[in-house]
Amino acid sequence: QVQLQESGPGLVKPSQTLSLTCTVSGGSISSGGYFWSWIRQHPGKGLEWIGYMHYSGGTYYNPSLRSRVTISMAASENQFSLHLASVTAADTAVYYCARRFSGGDCYDHWGQGTLVTVSS
Amino acid sequence: EIVLTQSPGTLSLSPGERATLSCRASQSLSRRYLAWYQQKPGQAPRLLIYAASSRATAIPDRFSGTGSETDFNLTISRLEPEDFAVYYCQQYDTSPQTFGQGTMVETK
Repeated sequence: QVQLQESGPGLVKPSQTLSLTCTVSGGSISSGGYFWSWIRQHPGKGLEWIGYMHYSGGTYYNPSLRSRVTISMAASENQFSLHLASVTAADTAVYYCARRFSGGDCYDHWGQGTLVTVSS
Repeated sequence: EIVLTQSPGTLSLSPGERATLSCRASQSLSRRYLAWYQQKPGQAPRLLIYAASSRATAIPDRFSGTGSETDFNLTISRLEPEDFAVYYCQQYDTSPQTFGQGTMVETK
């Protein structure tokens, strides 16, 4: 059973870079042809897709965030990461890592989520 | 981008009753690439339905999805106590994929 776990700072100052890591267990991120994803949820609101990455190196980002987002992978550690630059209070959210389902752009395995607050 | 509008915002029902949730897209989803998720407080979303009507692994058959073009429904045939939660629809027919704002199913 694949499990995902987010880690990283819970508080980031405005204008800084938000960095989170997702550790995957129960399966290799370099096999199976899956895309490894980040999705966020603003407090009390709906969900927003940030982007995803394939082991081969292909990355896809939400156009609304593309200028500030980088997703990278450390396959040897079975981890992938999110970096979001120049954050503002509007980036305060619960950030989830997730595995894109083999049948399309939906998500069948999720981490528990981590709250990141942007505040000075 | 495609906007998904879910209705109602809140549905108040009793266990054993039937729940019908609606998701309307601002443009046609020609490939019917619509998913439904369940989210309970403090938990991550759980995939229920993909491609409008296919149940994800281990999802009970009381959950069913229907619809095409711009109008989609999630039906829970008989509500169990564990079904009271927030439900989100997601379209992945056109990039960027987008989510609805959610429908809360609460105990009456």
